[in-house]
Amino acid sequence: KAGVTQTPRYLIKTRGQQVTLSCSPISGHRSVSWYQQTPGQGLQFLFEYFSETQRNKGNFPGRFSGRQFSNSRSEMNVSTLELGDSALYLCASSEWDFYEQYFGPGTRLTVT
Amino acid sequence: GESVGLHLPTLSVQEGDNSIINCAYSNSASDYFIWYKQESGKGPQFIIDIRSNMDKRQGQRVTVLLNKTVKHLSLQIAATQPGDSAVYFCAESGYGGSQGNLIFGKGTKLSVKP
Repeated sequence: KAGVTQTPRYLIKTRGQQVTLSCSPISGHRSVSWYQQTPGQGLQFLFEYFSETQRNKGNFPGRFSGRQFSNSRSEMNVSTLELGDSALYLCASSEWDFYEQYFGPGTRLTVT
Repeated sequence: GESVGLHLPTLSVQEGDNSIINCAYSNSASDYFIWYKQESGKGPQFIIDIRSNMDKRQGQRVTVLLNKTVKHLSLQIAATQPGDSAVYFCAESGYGGSQGNLIFGKGTKLSVKP
């Protein structure tokens, strides 16, 4: 099976802009989770989608949003970008929930 | 490659030795724990998990120990190899892995000397 893929791998945006990141889970996986990774805060949970519904949400402002499509592919959107949003954004998929999540390589977002 | 963290605790071991990576978790109600390995430029990779009704679980060359009394988790890697060099994260969940948040530790960098 192909692994989790994320596009784009690298992105540079300016403060105030918005950005959309994409994640394609492993075939058959219905749960997709998103994480933000920074040197200062480490790995932090953003949200999880299952069957097109947001099932869980971390402690991030409303500027961070996501969605999942019927084919389980997921997108996350960050509006009104801030310098502090610069991070590696990771997507992980699993069949049902957190058990044996498989991570993608991440999208490196730089906000200038 | 991607930098996964600055100023991480570092464990340096000789090839062939055993490694022990420790993690203190925060929530006494957490009942599911996972260890991940992250190599430079890659996403975290699942290593092994354990539920709170167990205190030890073994995989291939890895063992996870759970001490709920002191909220401590450890990962033991037997016969450490250069390919084991990576950052290791522990994560906890308060809902047995189903729903709820996964909370990650800050990570430990393992460096294996040949």
